[in-house]
Order: sequence, then C-alpha cells, then structure tokens
Amino acid sequence: EIVLTQSPATLSLSPGERATLSCRASQSVNNYLAWYQQKPGQAPRLLIYDASNRATGIPARFSGSGSGTDFTLIISSLEPEDFAVYYCQQRSSSWPLSFGGGTKVEIK
Amino acid sequence: EVQLLESGGGLVQPGGSLRLSCAASGFAFGSNAMNWVRQAPGKGLEWVSGISHSSGSTYYADSVKGRFTISRDNSKNTLYLQMISLRAEDTAVYYCAKDQPSSQPFGVGIYYFGHWGRGTLVTVSS
Repeated sequence: EIVLTQSPATLSLSPGERATLSCRASQSVNNYLAWYQQKPGQAPRLLIYDASNRATGIPARFSGSGSGTDFTLIISSLEPEDFAVYYCQQRSSSWPLSFGGGTKVEIK
Repeated sequence: EVQLLESGGGLVQPGGSLRLSCAASGFAFGSNAMNWVRQAPGKGLEWVSGISHSSGSTYYADSVKGRFTISRDNSKNTLYLQMISLRAEDTAVYYCAKDQPSSQPFGVGIYYFGHWGRGTLVTVSS
C-alpha cells in the first residue's frame, strides 16, 4: 500500500500570504494525485487532479505541481475562505487508493 | 447541478448490519463510476469501496473486504453500501462520491472523487 505523508501538519498564515503544502508518496504514483479541501462540518471538495489540473470552478490561486513521489499544492494568496484542512490522494496502478493525513491551514 | 444524498446511517450494535443509500441527480448516473469514502470522528479520509458504471467491477479497501458490498441500481439512480459484521472502528461519516476520471487514464477503474454528498453518520456501539 502506498503511504502519503503530508507536511506540515499545521500551517499558520495570514490572509494574503502564500501557502505551500507538501505531499510525499512512499513510492511513485506518476502524476496520479489529487488535492481536496475540507471545511468543518462539510464534505471535501476536489481542487486538483492529475497533480496539476484544476477541477471545475476552482479559482486560479490554487495550483498543483509535482510527479513521482513529491507533490505541492500552492495557494498564491490566501482568502478568508481558504482556511481549512487539505488532503492529498493517490491513484497509482496498485490498489488501494489512499489519502494523506491532511494539512490544516489556520489563521495566524 | 450534481446532487448526492446519503441516507441509512444510524446507531447499530457491534456485529450488526446496515444498508446505506445514495440518491443521485443532476448527471448521467449510469455513465459514472461511484464510490463510498468514510471519515471517522476527528480523523482523516478513508476510501471504502468503488463500483464501475455498469456494476461490472467492484473495488474494496482491505479493512472492509468480505463485510461490505457495494451495488447500484441505475434505473433508480441510487448507490448502495451493505454493511455486515460491523465493528466499532467502522464508526464514521460515510460519503457517497462521484468518480472524477483522470485526463490520462492508464486503465479502467476509480481515480478521484469529483463530487461528494453531505454524508451519513454510522455509529457502531453497544
């Protein structure tokens, strides 16, 4: 099973700042990686798939990059509604699908 | 607009059974793979099971294999999850999720989760 490790666990930033979230896979997943945002009491929302493709309706301030084992989600300038928990998820050729443990982006 | 509405959650004793349903609307249900993803209280996300658009292929996490059965009725636009031999560690919010295919798929099957329902809570406790 592929393990995804997200860092940092918590990111404390102010609105307008740039957020950089990391996701590392225990073995290569090529570019089959997604990012999700989850706010308290809500279902997750797909932000990025295939490492760098923004999902429908996702603002351009969200961008994803990486391939193989190292991936990054960048929020270029944090809006108040961006403070949430972010998860990465892989879909390699070996089952099962798996999620990372999450990064909480909180207001500093 | 894609809508997914889960139902069927509740309190069940260890060893008991429960069937979850997910009513879908706003998209061509019969053309899309579907999934169940769960989240234990205060914890992260765990994929549970997936099913192809035609029910020809089903997929399960090791933690539920042999106890959970995913199915669908395309005539009713409904996804199901039959759960038996429930354990305390199955306690979670269960989300129904529509598959988001890869733009460069290497094969058939589940890829990502493009739309989610609001979830239904399953509590396994005596």
